[in-house]
Amino acid sequence: QVQLAESGGGVVQPGRSRRLSCTSSGFLFSTYGMHWVRQAPGKGLEWVAVISHDGKNKNYGDSVKGRFTISRDNSKNMVFLQMGSLKTEDTGMYYCAKERGSSDLDLWGQGTLVIVSS
Amino acid sequence: EIVLTQSPATLSLSPGERATLSCRASQSVSTYLAWYQQKPGQAPRLLIYGASNRATGIPARFSGSGSGTDFILTISGLEPEDFAVYYCQQRSSWPSLTFGGGTKVEIK
Repeated sequence: QVQLAESGGGVVQPGRSRRLSCTSSGFLFSTYGMHWVRQAPGKGLEWVAVISHDGKNKNYGDSVKGRFTISRDNSKNMVFLQMGSLKTEDTGMYYCAKERGSSDLDLWGQGTLVIVSS
Repeated sequence: EIVLTQSPATLSLSPGERATLSCRASQSVSTYLAWYQQKPGQAPRLLIYGASNRATGIPARFSGSGSGTDFILTISGLEPEDFAVYYCQQRSSWPSLTFGGGTKVEIK
């Protein structure tokens, strides 16, 4: 079954770190770029980060640049998001998503909720 | 940064009616424009890519058009399951993506 499943969310204090994971199945993971997209409660979608299929190229949204790091392990079919210096405005649902031909996102996980609060 | 502006913010329609959603880009994105549907408590789902191509499994009542800066998503006859929020997304500035603010299609 083709799917993505995120984990690692929870409540974290401002200034602390958190690592999110995304496990894939049902497709050749190592041949696709992967993204993280987040959504604050009641708000729209915000792109967070992308990593190329081989892990060599990464890019970040301005609001997380310098604080978040995306990585992947193709041997385990997983992508990660290391979040540091967390702020209350980082609160939201975090989705991992698979690229479709370097253009758009054709497979999404169900998301993992991160709440940054003291 | 390319900004996508969606209008209207909310569209109130009855089942069976035609829905027309707009997405305008601050500069040309050619046809690198996608549309997603999101229902409450669910992840987004890809509907349209390349401005006018339906994704796998998407019903024919969904269609996309446009190029450059102006794009339209049309739902030719609303089914009960189509009431949701719709987002456009551009990849002209790949690998960065941007999303529009969304249009909520609600039952009138």
